[in-house]
Amino acid sequence: EADIYQTPRYLVIGTGKKITLECSQTMGHDKMYWYQQDPGMELHLIHYSYGVNSTEKGDLSSESTVSRIRTEHFPLTLESARPSHTSQYLCASRGDTSYEQYFGPGTRLTVT
Amino acid sequence: AQSVTQLGSHVSVSEGALVLLRCNYSSSVPPYLFWYVQYPNQGLQLLLKYTSAATLVKGINGFEAEFKKSETSFHLTKPSAHMSDAAEYFCAVSAPGDTGFQKLVFGTGTRLLVSP
Repeated sequence: EADIYQTPRYLVIGTGKKITLECSQTMGHDKMYWYQQDPGMELHLIHYSYGVNSTEKGDLSSESTVSRIRTEHFPLTLESARPSHTSQYLCASRGDTSYEQYFGPGTRLTVT
Repeated sequence: AQSVTQLGSHVSVSEGALVLLRCNYSSSVPPYLFWYVQYPNQGLQLLLKYTSAATLVKGINGFEAEFKKSETSFHLTKPSAHMSDAAEYFCAVSAPGDTGFQKLVFGTGTRLLVSP
């Protein structure tokens, strides 16, 4: 059982607010990922990290930013939320000896 | 570049019937392939993976998949569906050897509906 956590699970927020989605894992994995998933659609990679102090943008352009100050923590921030940011955000991590990624439960964000 | 095609956005079966979810991949190198399951309002859970060992892979919850290179397919099967199998299923491909950055490319998903 993978130990990767996301908070909050659900968030409804007004336009223009700053939000941070939290992601933590207790497996000591160096590689972490953020995906965006719209209902009934595939996952799109928006950010990833090789390890501490490493962050890269993914395939899907996103106005969000990420940071990786600690191995276990990979938060995602939106400086000014907009309705177009309404989506589900999934965090994942991977160890060095395997190719599968372990996913958190997701944060469903609604911007009104 | 790698890509995945899942045929059928929805598949409906009766409880006890065979489940077959189709996945075809495109890859310029031998791929690593995965099936994930997603229950409502949850993240993705790994069902099984192919990483160039046995071509018939067994996973959790009675699912299995067979890697067929000649058909570039990795279809997911289960002999007898349970109501609890109703969920969204995603096929994903990754390029081996890319140990620095592994990117999973996902299909669009197949929703499995199980009727009593």
